Amino acid sequence: QKEVEQNSGPLSVPEGAIASLNCTYSDRGSQSFFWYRQYSGKSPELIMSIYSNGDKEDGRFTAQLNKASQYVSLLIRDSQPSDSATYLCAVNAGNTGFQKLVFGTGTRLLVSP
Amino acid sequence: NAGVMQNPRHLVRRRGQEARLRCSPVKGHSHVYWYRQLPEEGLKFMVYLQKENIIDESGMPKERFSAEFPKEGPSILRIQQVVRGDSAAYFCASSPGQNQETQYFGPGTRLLVL
Repeated sequence: QKEVEQNSGPLSVPEGAIASLNCTYSDRGSQSFFWYRQYSGKSPELIMSIYSNGDKEDGRFTAQLNKASQYVSLLIRDSQPSDSATYLCAVNAGNTGFQKLVFGTGTRLLVSP
Repeated sequence: NAGVMQNPRHLVRRRGQEARLRCSPVKGHSHVYWYRQLPEEGLKFMVYLQKENIIDESGMPKERFSAEFPKEGPSILRIQQVVRGDSAAYFCASSPGQNQETQYFGPGTRLLVL
């Protein structure tokens, strides 16, 4: 069974610090990886997608992928209280020609002022 | 430029009734996905549809649940004879097509079964 593992948290960081969120996945053949943010009672919102090994930066967010270690992470620089949310790691587990996302249970991030 | 639309946003049903959840994808998107999020749990894939076709329904419970995406109109997730364990948030997502994998989520329908 294909799985995605995340630490449930909460991860507490002070405002302005770097928040580091981690995710591991079991299916070595996975090719697409996504980070979503979900505020309480709201729908998931896409933050980043990453397909190749290495780093991908978008504003204050950096996604890191290491396929050999089956590990993907999300760094949030200059964390703000508005970043407080649950961060969901998702892996595309579909076979060629179709796709479905397998989600981790999410890591709750708390950014204190 | 409307995103994914779902209705109703909240739905209350008594045990044994039917629930119909509707999803209109982003304009131009031909792929629809349904996910369920139980309280304090992660999102679980249910079904992947294209217009008039079910592509992957491996996450759908074997009984009482069905989904469709007709040529015209929204995608429908139908739950017959609801039970309390069906209470959850049901999210629909859409994507443009196979080679553009990003899925955009709708606001969800919160189903409460009394």
